[in-house]
Amino acid sequence: KAGVTQTPRYLIKTRGQQVTLSCSPISGHRSVSWYQQTPGQGLQFLFEYFSETQRNKGNFPGRFSGRQFSNSRSEMNVSTLELGDSALYLCASRPHGQNTEAFFGQGTRLTVV
Amino acid sequence: QKEVEQDPGPLSVPEGAIVSLNCTYSNSAFQYFMWYRQYSRKGPELLMYTYSSGNKEDGRFTAQVDKSSKYISLFIRDSQPSDSATYLCAMSSPSGSSASKIIFGSGTRLSIRP
Repeated sequence: KAGVTQTPRYLIKTRGQQVTLSCSPISGHRSVSWYQQTPGQGLQFLFEYFSETQRNKGNFPGRFSGRQFSNSRSEMNVSTLELGDSALYLCASRPHGQNTEAFFGQGTRLTVV
Repeated sequence: QKEVEQDPGPLSVPEGAIVSLNCTYSNSAFQYFMWYRQYSRKGPELLMYTYSSGNKEDGRFTAQVDKSSKYISLFIRDSQPSDSATYLCAMSSPSGSSASKIIFGSGTRLSIRP
């Protein structure tokens, strides 16, 4: 069974630009969550999508947005990039509903210059 | 105060030693507990998942949960250099608006010396 796939693996963007990251969950998994990981803040929850609906949201500004498609694939968008947005962005998929373990992808390393 | 506290380390032990990694939490609503291992430049890999107090064993790994003390542990027996990584504890609550959100500890960097 294929794992969680995130693309691209690495990305370099300039301040003020926008970026879209993609996540394909494990086949059959309907829940996709996004996390930001930085050395100083650790893993911070961005949002979760289940059956194309945002079910939960973390404390990030509105520049961070996401969506989920009918095939459960998800995209995350960050607009007006800031230097502080440089981080490893991780996607996690869960089989269904809540209270199940999450499986992570390899992440997209975003560098904002 | 953070909901989940984890000593960042680094923790360095000789090969073959028993490693003990710990987390404390403040939210008594947490009922589901996980341990992840993360190698450098990789995504976290799920090691253990448990939802009850007590011990759960899987090979060289044992997860321990004490809900009365709000304390969880991961023990690694016969540690190997390949166990060198960052270990993250994580937990979630079963109901309510935050049920789908997993909260992570900051991670403990572990190094096993050959």
